[in-house]
Amino acid sequence: KAGVTQTPRYLIKTRGQQVTLSCSPISGHRSVSWYQQTPGQGLQFLFEYFSETQRNKGNFPGRFSGRQFSNSRSEMNVSTLELGDSALYLCASSDGTGVFNSPLHFGNGTRLTVT
Amino acid sequence: AQKITQTQPGMFVQEKEAVTLDCTYDTSDQSYGLFWYKQPSSGEMIFLIYQGSYDEQNATEGRYSLNFQKARKSANLVISASQLGDSAMYFCAMREAGRTTGTASKLTFGTGTRLQVTL
Repeated sequence: KAGVTQTPRYLIKTRGQQVTLSCSPISGHRSVSWYQQTPGQGLQFLFEYFSETQRNKGNFPGRFSGRQFSNSRSEMNVSTLELGDSALYLCASSDGTGVFNSPLHFGNGTRLTVT
Repeated sequence: AQKITQTQPGMFVQEKEAVTLDCTYDTSDQSYGLFWYKQPSSGEMIFLIYQGSYDEQNATEGRYSLNFQKARKSANLVISASQLGDSAMYFCAMREAGRTTGTASKLTFGTGTRLQVTL
């Protein structure tokens, strides 16, 4: 079974631009979550989608948004990029059932650098 | 609020030795899951092991075992027979059932422990 696939692996953008990151979950998984990882703040939860609906959202500004398609693939968008948005963005999928006892399976991440 | 504490920023262990990575947690929820992940320098987060709050026996997965002490709210990871390939960051994480708080889908991570395996 293929794992979680994130594209692209690396991105370099300029401040003020916008960016879209993509995530394909493990086949059969209906839940997709996004996390931001920085040296200063560690791993922080952005949002989770289940069956095309946002189920939970972290404490991030509205510049961060996401969506999920009918095939469970998900995209994350960051508008008006700031230098502080430079981070590793990790996508994770799970079957979405059982909730607290479902492990999340992560992709390789997209490393975003904002200059 | 849910919280995970990993007090060891870095650990060294010799090859073939066992090592324990500490994790304590705080939650008011009765139902929760505890997870350990490994993150090599490549960046991918690799799921290692899971322990449920209602599980009476400690979880084991190959060379990994989880020393779960519910009363102390600790969930330490034990790696037996360390290998050079075990060198990585290790994160402890928790998910609460959160039926009333809506936190069910969120995974809270600790700050991680960097493990270096030496010859």
